[in-house]
Amino acid sequence: AQSVAQPEDQVNVAEGNPLTVKCTYSVSGNPYLFWYVQYPNRGLQFLLKYITGDNLVKGSYGFEAEFNKSQTSFHLKKPSALVSDSALYFCAVSYSSASKIIFGSGTRLSIRP
Amino acid sequence: GAVVSQHPSWVICKSGTSVKIECRSLDFQATTMFWYRQFPKQSLMLMATSNEGSKATYEQGVEKDKFLINHASLTLSTLTVTSAHPEDSSFYICSASGRGDNEQFFGPGTRLTVL
Repeated sequence: AQSVAQPEDQVNVAEGNPLTVKCTYSVSGNPYLFWYVQYPNRGLQFLLKYITGDNLVKGSYGFEAEFNKSQTSFHLKKPSALVSDSALYFCAVSYSSASKIIFGSGTRLSIRP
Repeated sequence: GAVVSQHPSWVICKSGTSVKIECRSLDFQATTMFWYRQFPKQSLMLMATSNEGSKATYEQGVEKDKFLINHASLTLSTLTVTSAHPEDSSFYICSASGRGDNEQFFGPGTRLTVL
């Protein structure tokens, strides 16, 4: 069975500092991994996905994520945080882009000025 | 890019009434649509998967007679919450994907409040 874990409920970072939001996954076979962002009372916005290829995936708004097969992790990163990055971030896993997606519990990212 | 809309964006209803939520793919044909619900400060939980022209597949624990899903066309799926109760209050989000191994695109969500 597929599962994804986000060990941190909240991450607090000062503006301008690098940020990391952690995600680990458990899936048989080759996973499709995603990161989404959700602003209050809004739907999900796609940030990036990993299917195959380079382990470092670049996405929207300057975010990137690194796929690490040996550690079964897919951490989200950004070199320099902005206050506007404050939102709820979800890591997700699937067997394909079009099959059902299993979401992590979410991590609330708070960027202080 | 692919756009998915939901209507209404929010709805308030009385306990015992039924509410219909629409999910539309605006610029592509959605062969598969997914319905999720999200409780405050929690993650999205998949409720059901629907393929155009066939019955929806519900996740374990989701009452199919309570949450009626219809995917009658390639651009429209509806979720009807029948005899709604306060515990059905939630944020409902749909997503849609087209033919082949295409990405899922999410709608903006519908907030349902049952009084």
